[in-house]
Amino acid sequence: NAGVTQTPKFRILKIGQSMTLQCTQDMNHNYMYWYRQDPGMGLKLIYYSVGAGITDKGEVPNGYNVSRSTTEDFPLRLELAAPSQTSVYFCASNGRGSNEKLFFGSGTQLSVL
Amino acid sequence: QKEVEQDPGPLSVPEGAIVSLNCTYSNSAFQYFMWYRQYSRKGPELLMYTYSSGNKEDGRFTAQVDKSSKYISLFIRDSQPSDSATYLCAMSLNTNAGKSTFGDGTTLTVKP
Repeated sequence: NAGVTQTPKFRILKIGQSMTLQCTQDMNHNYMYWYRQDPGMGLKLIYYSVGAGITDKGEVPNGYNVSRSTTEDFPLRLELAAPSQTSVYFCASNGRGSNEKLFFGSGTQLSVL
Repeated sequence: QKEVEQDPGPLSVPEGAIVSLNCTYSNSAFQYFMWYRQYSRKGPELLMYTYSSGNKEDGRFTAQVDKSSKYISLFIRDSQPSDSATYLCAMSLNTNAGKSTFGDGTTLTVKP
């Protein structure tokens, strides 16, 4: 059982480039989330989704976009990357009730230079 | 001022010690309280989940919530080198655990 899978694990981008961080879960979870974690800091919610076709902004959505066309996939798009987006990005999901346990992926470490 | 403040650490203890990890918060509307363990280069993993004031025990781990003081703690008994990790507290206004507010984490090292 793979759980939550994120790709890539590491990426270096130049300022102004774009990329998509991939997130897939195989637990049939309705709820999915994207967070960023800056060094020595807690997690900040970027975007979340309560089901296919439904997304909403979190605490720090500027500079990012998401889509949810299937239950399994929740990609995060960075347009015009900036140094301030250098961070570790985590995807997470939970089940039928949103208070159910969160399962996290192992993260994508992104550097924008 | 941050909504959730966590003891910054780092914390280094000998194997077998009792560890106390602490967070304070300012928003009295928080109802659900969580502790996550995060190993280096890994995603957080839920350790404890509590609702309202009181204690909850799970093996060597005890979570304590004092809503009157806006203070939560995680105690680790008989600490092991495998407990070496960063511990994050988190709290939410409602049942949506995914929309929690996280502390900045305390890094713990347990030395053999």
